[in-house]
Amino acid sequence: DAMVIQNPRYQVTQFGKPVTLSCSQTLNHNVMYWYQQKSSQAPKLLFHYYDKDFNNEADTPDNFQSRRPNTSFCFLDIRSPGLGDAAMYLCATSRESASSYEQYFGPGTRLTVT
Amino acid sequence: GQNIDQPTEMTATEGAIVQINCTYQTSGFNGLFWYQQHAGEAPTFLSYNVLDGLEEKGRFSSFLSRSKGYSYLLLKELQMKDSASYLCAVKDSNYQLIWGAGTKLIIKP
Repeated sequence: DAMVIQNPRYQVTQFGKPVTLSCSQTLNHNVMYWYQQKSSQAPKLLFHYYDKDFNNEADTPDNFQSRRPNTSFCFLDIRSPGLGDAAMYLCATSRESASSYEQYFGPGTRLTVT
Repeated sequence: GQNIDQPTEMTATEGAIVQINCTYQTSGFNGLFWYQQHAGEAPTFLSYNVLDGLEEKGRFSSFLSRSKGYSYLLLKELQMKDSASYLCAVKDSNYQLIWGAGTKLIIKP
C-alpha cells in the first residue's frame, strides 16, 4: 500500500542533544511537509518542499533544519532540542500544492525532551 | 491575520447527529478541508469544499458558504469510533493550509 512512513514513532532525547526524525513516502508526491503539533493545538507548519525547492516558514526557529535528498525521503533535524520542542512531529505529502489536493499524513513521531 | 475558529469541545450521544462549525478569515480562499484526528494519531482527510453548498459522503457531510466565511461538518448516526478531534483547514491565496485548533468530539453511549 502506498503510504507515508515516519521513524521512529517515539523518540526520547536529552536537552541540547541533536536529533533527526525521518519520513519516507511511496506515493511519489511532489510536496512534502513537516508539522509540529502540541496537545490540543493546530498543526504548525515548519517547512515544506516542492520537489527540491525548500520553503521555510518565517517563524520556524533556526534550531530546526530539514533535508530532502530525493523524492521519497525527508528529514527533520533539531540541532539543540529544548523542553519546548517536545511535541508530535507530523510529516505529510501532497501530489501538488494546488487547491483540491489533500495532504496525506504519516503516523507522527512523538518527541520527548528530558 | 489569518484565523480559523472552531468550538474547543462538543459532546453528543451515540446514534445522534452533531454539527461542528468552522469560521475563517484568511488571505484568499482556495478550498476548505476537514480532517479527523484520533488521539495520538495523525490527521486523516474527510472532505474538501471549494464551491458553496453541501458535499455528502456517507455519514459525513460538509457545507460551505464562502460569502459568510463559514463551514460545518455534519456527522450522522454517531458511533463511538467517531470520538476524535475534527480539524478545519483553509488553503489561502498562496495555497498554504491554515489550520484550526480542532474540535474534540466526545460521544457518550
